[in-house]
Amino acid sequence: EIVLTQSPGTLSLSPGERATLSCRASQSVSSSYLAWYQQKPGQAPRLLIYGASSRATGIPDRFSGSGSGTDFTLTISRLEPEDFAVYSCQQYGSSPCSFGQGTKLEIK
Amino acid sequence: EVQLVESGGGLVQPGGSLRLSCAASGFIFSRYWMHWVRQAPGKGLVWVSRINGDGSSTSYADSVKGRFTISRDNAKNTLYLQMNSLRAEDTAVYYCARPGYSSTWLLDVWGKGTTVTVSS
Repeated sequence: EIVLTQSPGTLSLSPGERATLSCRASQSVSSSYLAWYQQKPGQAPRLLIYGASSRATGIPDRFSGSGSGTDFTLTISRLEPEDFAVYSCQQYGSSPCSFGQGTKLEIK
Repeated sequence: EVQLVESGGGLVQPGGSLRLSCAASGFIFSRYWMHWVRQAPGKGLVWVSRINGDGSSTSYADSVKGRFTISRDNAKNTLYLQMNSLRAEDTAVYYCARPGYSSTWLLDVWGKGTTVTVSS
C-alpha cells in the first residue's frame, strides 16, 4: 500500500496570503492519480483536485495542484476566510487507495 | 440532487455488531461502485471497503477483513456495512462515498457520515 505523508501538519497563514501544501508518496503514484480534498469541522470531505492538477466542478481557480511521481503540491493563491480547513491528499492509482494524514490550515 | 445519507451509527460494546446504511438518491445507483471510508477522532481518512455496481465484487482494508461485510440493495438504492467483532479502534465517523470522473476510486460524492463508538 502506498503511504502518503503530508507536510506541514499545521500551516498558519492570514487571509490574502499564499498557501503551499505538500504530499509525498512512498512510491510513484500511477498516472498522477492524486487528489486533494478539503474538510471543514463536522462536514464531509469535498473533492478539490484530481489527476494531480485538474480542478473538480465548481472549485475556484485560486486552488491549483501540481506534481508527479512521488511529490505533489496543492497551492491556494490568495486565501479566503472560507479556505481555512483540513486538506487531505489521496492516491487512487493503486489498489487500495490511500489518504494522507491531513494538513490543517489555520488563521494566523 | 445527488445525495448520500448514512444511518445506523451508535454506541456499541467491544465484540458487538452494528449495521450501517447509506441511502442514495439523484443518480443511477446500480451503475456505480460504492465505498465506505472512516475517520477516527482527530485522525485522517481511511478507506474501509468497496463494492461494485451489481454486488459481485468486494474488497476490504486488512484492518476489517473477516469482520466487516459490505453489501448493497439496488432495488432500494441502499449501501450497507455489517460490522461484527467491533473493537475500540473501529471508533470513527463512517462515510459512504461514490466515485466519479470515470474512476472507481476517486471519491467525488460523500455523505455527511454516521458516528460509531465502540466502548464499554
